[in-house]
Amino acid sequence: AAGVIQSPRHLIKEKRETATLKCYPIPRHDTVYWYQQGPGQDPQFLISFYEKMQSDKGSIPDRFSAQQFSDYHSELNMSSLELGDSALYFCDSSLPGDKAFFGQGTRLTVV
Amino acid sequence: SQQGEEDPQALSIQEGENATMNCSYKTSINNLQWYRQNSGRGLVHLILIRSNEREKHSGRLRVTLDTSKKSSSLLITASRAADTASYFCATARMDSSYKLIFGSGTRLLVRP
Repeated sequence: AAGVIQSPRHLIKEKRETATLKCYPIPRHDTVYWYQQGPGQDPQFLISFYEKMQSDKGSIPDRFSAQQFSDYHSELNMSSLELGDSALYFCDSSLPGDKAFFGQGTRLTVV
Repeated sequence: SQQGEEDPQALSIQEGENATMNCSYKTSINNLQWYRQNSGRGLVHLILIRSNEREKHSGRLRVTLDTSKKSSSLLITASRAADTASYFCATARMDSSYKLIFGSGTRLLVRP
């Protein structure tokens, strides 16, 4: 069965650079969520989309933006990267109120 | 953590023993989900229990939910070394986007 696909799996960027993370949800799932997990931390909700519209927003820095496209894939754009942005970034897709399916995550390292 | 606490934060047991992890949360929920994460890797869904359910089983896993106490427990029976991982609970609220709010996790070590 198709799962949630995230790309890239690993990314190394320098401070002040820009990064784009992609998430391809499970077919027919209309909702995508992004989470950030710092080293030794629990995942923290960043932002979500339902039917291509932003549905909720968490502790997402102003330097980050995201969108969901017509094919339901989503991209998280991160600018002016800081060392503290180094983390594992997950997206999950689901139907509202149902089991969440997570991708394998993108490990971002900012040097 | 926005969610609450998981208890214990770390647990070390012998293979074959049972492991119990507890999770508390603060708000009313639509459902509660348990996830497993091997070191620095993806989140693997274990079980979902809805707010109108009290107990669910899946293989060696048993989850309980007490909405009056806003708490849940995950029991892993007959543990194996391969169960070594971090375990997170996460709740989804009904009056939001159903985003997940994670607990702080329990690091389980199963010694062979």
